[in-house]
Amino acid sequence: SAVISQKPSRDICQRGTSLTIQCQVDSQVTMMFWYRQQPGQSLTLIATANQGSEATYESGFVIDKFPISRPNLTFSTLTVSNMSPEDSSIYLCSARDRALRGGYNEQFFGPGTRLTVL
Amino acid sequence: AQTVTQSQPEMSVQEAETVTLSCTYDTSENNYYLFWYKQPPSRQMILVIRQEAYKQQNATENRFSVNFQKAAKSFSLKISDSQLGDTAMYFCAFMKQEGGADGLTFGKGTHLIIQP
Repeated sequence: SAVISQKPSRDICQRGTSLTIQCQVDSQVTMMFWYRQQPGQSLTLIATANQGSEATYESGFVIDKFPISRPNLTFSTLTVSNMSPEDSSIYLCSARDRALRGGYNEQFFGPGTRLTVL
Repeated sequence: AQTVTQSQPEMSVQEAETVTLSCTYDTSENNYYLFWYKQPPSRQMILVIRQEAYKQQNATENRFSVNFQKAAKSFSLKISDSQLGDTAMYFCAFMKQEGGADGLTFGKGTHLIIQP
């Protein structure tokens, strides 16, 4: 299995500022994903971040608002730019790889970052 | 595009009872995977059980089992001998065939409360 950590675990930010969330995996993974979970809601996929290629964004999410980096096989960052109160959510990092338990059939999640925008 | 529907926003049962959470989905794919994830108050998403669509046999993991009806596109989770620690949000999720670059599509979740 994979252990995924995220920093920060929570933050309170002012409108108009940006926050970068870090995601670290304890093993090399080919696929990493970023999800958003708005208060009391389900998880929505923001983008897929595979090492060596540009992130692929889902409908409704754009790179200018949610730039993503994937510099190596164990690390990724998600930036929430020019934040507004509507961006208040939990942001979760996830990973999947053939070499992990369950292979490509299982996705592991980080503990999430709770973001509050005032 | 796939959709996943969980029609029970909240359920409450007594400890040791059996409870069934429902999930239906819609897809044009023939090969896919279905999952139940548990999210306790700690927010950590935990995989409860997984079902491959090509397998007719229902998956079982200890007290957790599924009733997978492919033709009906139904994927319910049964929890036997429920325990207080089972209290959590439960999400049904869909994923295309292995190796695809797609993430998971989640349902809205069911808040399960186990009463002592």
